[in-house]
Amino acid sequence: ELKVEQNPLFLSMQEGKNYTIYCNYSTTSDRLYWYRQDPGKSLESLFVLLSNGAVKQEGRLMASLDTKARLSTLHITAAVHDLSATYFCAVTNPRKETSGSRLTFGEGTQLTVNP
Amino acid sequence: NAGVTQTPKFQVLKTGQSMTLQCAQDMNHEYMSWYRQDPGMGLRLIHYSVGAGITDQGEVPNGYNVSRSTTEDFPLRLLSAAPSQTSVYFCASSYSGGIGNEQFFGPGTRLTVL
Repeated sequence: ELKVEQNPLFLSMQEGKNYTIYCNYSTTSDRLYWYRQDPGKSLESLFVLLSNGAVKQEGRLMASLDTKARLSTLHITAAVHDLSATYFCAVTNPRKETSGSRLTFGEGTQLTVNP
Repeated sequence: NAGVTQTPKFQVLKTGQSMTLQCAQDMNHEYMSWYRQDPGMGLRLIHYSVGAGITDQGEVPNGYNVSRSTTEDFPLRLLSAAPSQTSVYFCASSYSGGIGNEQFFGPGTRLTVL
């Protein structure tokens, strides 16, 4: 059974600081997704990571994937208040042809950026 | 494109009542899925479909039925609502071609069962 664990689950940080959210998964996968969710809202796709060593950056967020370690990281650089949200990683099982139809999610990391 | 739409946005049911949550997408996506989101548990897959006429169970299917008669629509039916089904329900869709196509999520339905 595929399991996905994120840490930390809660993160409070000051504006201007850097921090990393970790996402570990239990079985081999070469597709990992990061989503953002604002309170009371839906999920917004941030990154799709498809291969070992993949790195993607958008603004103050950078995501990377190490398939051998079964680990993805979401790094926040010089945090600003607008980044406050819950961040989810999600993984598919690549052994199944139709795995793109279903994701296994981590519990989410609730990020609060304080002025 | 409207993307993925869900109705209703909010719903209150009494235990034992039945209802259907509607989901539609106008992106011609083959894949559609239903998830529920509970506090501290992330999203869990209820049912999914890889095309019209094809559905399968996810992680938490008990108490829910689905059907997919068209590419656009994927309704979720609660047969006899229970308080444990109080949750936020998200519908999602994605392309089947290629790899790495992310799922696009609807706005969600917040369901309370009394």
